Amino acid sequence: AQSVSQHNHHVILSEAASLELGCNYSYGGTVNLFWYVQYPGQHLQLLLKYFSGDPLVKGIKGFEAEFIKSKFSFNLRKPSVQWSDTAEYFCAVRTNAGGTSYGKLTFGQGTILTVHP
Amino acid sequence: SQTIHQWPATLVQPVGSPLSLECTVEGTSNPNLYWYRQAAGRGLQLLFYSVGIGQISSEVPQNLSASRPQDRQFILSSKKLLLSDSGFYLCAWKGPYNEQFFGPGTRLTVL
Repeated sequence: AQSVSQHNHHVILSEAASLELGCNYSYGGTVNLFWYVQYPGQHLQLLLKYFSGDPLVKGIKGFEAEFIKSKFSFNLRKPSVQWSDTAEYFCAVRTNAGGTSYGKLTFGQGTILTVHP
Repeated sequence: SQTIHQWPATLVQPVGSPLSLECTVEGTSNPNLYWYRQAAGRGLQLLFYSVGIGQISSEVPQNLSASRPQDRQFILSSKKLLLSDSGFYLCAWKGPYNEQFFGPGTRLTVL
């Protein structure tokens, strides 16, 4: 079965620092990849998605992610974080494993980002 | 635009009591719908999904069940709650690029 790994459970940064959150998945076929964010007290929101084409995708609030197929990775980046980026971030993958098209997503365990002002 | 509602927002129930959590979607027809449970440090676990009225697929064996009585309504139920059913339950629908859009969630505490 496919799996998603987020290697950092908790990342602590100061404002203006650069961010990179790792995400690796285990599946050799076609994938759709997503990053979600959950701000304190809010519901889960889609940050960005990779469906096809350009492996560098840009999302909301200055976030971007790069799909590197050879590394089975989809790392999230932001050049300069803000205090308001404090949140939990989830990577997710959708595959065609099993021949279904029900759109099931497999999520990583999440990374908590704390940004100090 | 599409919106997704869940209620109640929070719920405290005694062990052995029944459960009914409701999810409704507006602004789309015949959506794929999903129930997840979110546990701290463990991400989201898919519990059930539905591709249409009356069609339910279960991902993990558990004390819960799901039903889809209407096109845009998805219900999570239990006949007798266990302590281990406590958690944060999220409903989601599938968008055109296989992304999923989540509702605000229900925080369930079983005492």
